[in-house]
Amino acid sequence: GESVGLHLPTLSVQEGDNSIINCAYSNSASDYFIWYKQESGKGPQFIIDIRSNMDKRQGQRVTVLLNKTVKHLSLQIAATQPGDSAVYFCAEKGGSYIPTFGRGTSLIVHP
Amino acid sequence: ETGVTQTPRHLVMGMTNKKSLKCEQHLGHNAMYWYKQSAKKPLELMFVYNFKEQTENNSVPSRFSPECPNSSHLFLHLHTLQPEDSALYLCASSQDSGVSNQPQHFGDGTRLSIL
Repeated sequence: GESVGLHLPTLSVQEGDNSIINCAYSNSASDYFIWYKQESGKGPQFIIDIRSNMDKRQGQRVTVLLNKTVKHLSLQIAATQPGDSAVYFCAEKGGSYIPTFGRGTSLIVHP
Repeated sequence: ETGVTQTPRHLVMGMTNKKSLKCEQHLGHNAMYWYKQSAKKPLELMFVYNFKEQTENNSVPSRFSPECPNSSHLFLHLHTLQPEDSALYLCASSQDSGVSNQPQHFGDGTRLSIL
């Protein structure tokens, strides 16, 4: 079956640094990708999405990059803050329209 | 505030009990979902409802029984659960499960513990 995975289970950064969280996907038919943030005790929160006809999309302090050639997705967080500490996971959607989720990367921001 | 409210937030029950989880969305969406989230595992899809009709049952044991009386409300009825069913149960909604380019919006989940 198809799968979505993350390269690093834990990422530690200093406050103010930029963070990059990576995601590999294997379904070449996927055409829509989403990043979620899940804080402790809360449900996943939508951060940003990108369609397959784009390779970059920017939000507030976040940028998602999509490389369809190598089936790779990344989330960049600028000037990381302690409030960014959470688990981040990507999801992909293909023909089934039901998203497939990755395991998640825990981002720890040190003051 | 995500627009998706789940109750209760925590539930402890014995294996012979019957309980229900409730989800309500205030986003005007037509699709609702139940997911199971266990430690260190990806989200596991359980059920999908689109315009009140069940469109997905991801091989979920019959001890879990969903109910969707309208597009805004979703229930998960629990009966004779097993210890391995202890997990965070998440509800989500989206505009339409048949449309690809739309994110799901999640509630904060019910933390379920089976004794």
